[in-house]
Amino acid sequence: AQTVTQSQPEMSVQEAETVTLSCTYDTSESDYYLFWYKQPPSRQMILVIRQEAYKQQNATENRFSVNFQKAAKSFSLKISDSQLGDAAMYFCAYYGGSQGNLIFGKGTKLSVKP
Amino acid sequence: DTGVSQNPRHKITKRGQNVTFRCDPISEHNRLYWYRQTLGQGPEFLTYFQNEAQLEKSRLLSDRFSAERPKGSFSTLEIQRTEQGDSAMYLCASSQYRAGDYEKLFFGSGTQLSVL
Repeated sequence: AQTVTQSQPEMSVQEAETVTLSCTYDTSESDYYLFWYKQPPSRQMILVIRQEAYKQQNATENRFSVNFQKAAKSFSLKISDSQLGDAAMYFCAYYGGSQGNLIFGKGTKLSVKP
Repeated sequence: DTGVSQNPRHKITKRGQNVTFRCDPISEHNRLYWYRQTLGQGPEFLTYFQNEAQLEKSRLLSDRFSAERPKGSFSTLEIQRTEQGDSAMYLCASSQYRAGDYEKLFFGSGTQLSVL
């Protein structure tokens, strides 16, 4: 069975600084997708960034980028120039072709200090 | 508003009562998902539909839970004989699934259930 592990329950960053959130996963599949979702206090899950496993190039979306290490099954999220609005729960998620749903990690609570 | 809509936003009920939640997906989306999220945890998959067909159910979905999507549009999730352990946020998501492509799920704001 596929699993997603986020080993950092909480992280803190100073405004305008850079922070990296960690995620590891376990799967026997070769084709899959990985995602980072943001959940602010409103509780609505917002897609931040996605990565296709067959792509070697790391995905980037403005201030958000990932470090995808397929062999190590690692998928970290880097947030550059952190803003107060980045404060939220961040969930790493896995989607594989043999299943019809997302598998989420337990999340990392990110605080941004002014 | 063209996003995923869930009603009600909050539900407080007494143990043993039945509750029903509704989810209206984005109109052209063919897949609809239900997830449950407890405090401090990530969402856990419950079930999903492709059009009106329920394709998968998690072992988390006990016999007291039933979900329907009668016309392939909105969906309802009913919990019978609620227990305090059912207290959670129930999230709905929808997507336009195409074979061979990834699914971008759009989530609603959830229904927060409190069982007293």
